[in-house]
Amino acid sequence: SQTIHQWPATLVQPVGSPLSLECTVEGTSNPNLYWYRQAAGRGLQLLFYSVGIGQISSEVPQNLSASRPQDRQFILSSKKLLLSDSGFYLCAWTKETGRGQETQYFGPGTRLLVL
Amino acid sequence: AQSVTQPDIHITVSEGASLELRCNYSYGATPYLFWYVQSPGQGLQLLLKYFSGDTLVQGIKGFEAEFKRSQSSFNLRKPSVHWSDAAEYFCAVGARSNYQLIWGAGTKLIIKP
Repeated sequence: SQTIHQWPATLVQPVGSPLSLECTVEGTSNPNLYWYRQAAGRGLQLLFYSVGIGQISSEVPQNLSASRPQDRQFILSSKKLLLSDSGFYLCAWTKETGRGQETQYFGPGTRLLVL
Repeated sequence: AQSVTQPDIHITVSEGASLELRCNYSYGATPYLFWYVQSPGQGLQLLLKYFSGDTLVQGIKGFEAEFKRSQSSFNLRKPSVHWSDAAEYFCAVGARSNYQLIWGAGTKLIIKP
């Protein structure tokens, strides 16, 4: 069966510091991968998605970036965090079947607090 | 414009009572429809989905949803809620040709003992 991992689970960082959040998927190959942010009391905002290694689509202009160095690894980064980057970051995956949209399955999330 | 509306930000229901959470969408293509649940501090768990076929869909934890194309709705129901159902519920819409989902803002379910 497939599982998705995110770490760290919780992170407290000062303003201006760098960020690296990691997401990995097990039990599948060539997944589509997604990064979402969920601000307190709000819905989901799609940040990035990737359909393959090195292929990243950005949905929201900001100081965050994403990379996919391996098939089942998706990394969210920032060079300098802002206070507004605080939130709950969720990684999700879908299986690429050639039929387009499939069900998204979510990781446990990373709680980021920027002080 | 494509959108998903969950009109109720909060809903309070007594334990054992029935539940209906509303979801309305505006989408140009034939929609794929999803309901997810999120417990505090957790990721999202898929409750059920509709891709095609029978418009009444059964999901996990005793939930069901009915797709009504004429009303552009996909409401979530449960005949008798349990205290463990207290969580936030999200409706989402997608399409076969699109990698992205359009998300509702969520409905927070509060259970009264």
